Amino acid sequence: QQQVKQSPQSLIVQKGGISIINCAYENTAFDYFPWYQQFPGKGPALLIAIRPDVSEKKEGRFTISFNKSAKQFSLHIMDSQPGDSATYFCAASFNNDMRFGAGTRLTVKP
Amino acid sequence: GAVVSQHPSRVICKSGTSVKIECRSLDFQATTMFWYRQFPKQSLMLMATSNEGSKATYEQGVEKDKFLINHASLTLSTLTVTSAHPEDSSFYICSARDRNRGPRYGYTFGSGTRLTVV
Repeated sequence: QQQVKQSPQSLIVQKGGISIINCAYENTAFDYFPWYQQFPGKGPALLIAIRPDVSEKKEGRFTISFNKSAKQFSLHIMDSQPGDSATYFCAASFNNDMRFGAGTRLTVKP
Repeated sequence: GAVVSQHPSRVICKSGTSVKIECRSLDFQATTMFWYRQFPKQSLMLMATSNEGSKATYEQGVEKDKFLINHASLTLSTLTVTSAHPEDSSFYICSARDRNRGPRYGYTFGSGTRLTVV
């Protein structure tokens, strides 16, 4: 059962453009929604996270938008840079249960 | 910030041998540690959850006798792949949760271990 659905699978964006990755979840018990960035051969690193009591969180060029009623959340990367090229995973968790999306491979072209 | 050290980063072993992977929380005490497996270009698959001092809880389909997990202290968890076979070759990643932070805080991941069984 895939509890977190992520799209697109891959994304190519020009330098300076906006990267948008979307996720949808099923379990309304989830109360924490992080995004992780993973470079090849490395473990995921927490990028930004949001709780369901807010609709948006911004940290630098990274913004999470959260729609509780639709059970959807998205990551926006403004002014995308080649160094942002990585795989991004959304996740949703409740207590010790964290479920990951399938991942989005982002390529930012110079 | 919270740091999780995972060792070794790469290991090659022969079929039939056992390999131990260590996961340490360096600057915090980990109530719970998690072990994941990741195939190329795929997401993280949770293998098991371990609480300090307790037996690990394995996800459905994960052989507990093959993937031995020990979480003997608040800062160390180990995953031992026993009688390794080539199909066990994968990227294994641990993560840990800080016991002093609430359940809504995130997990810190180790840097992963690339296991190759020849």
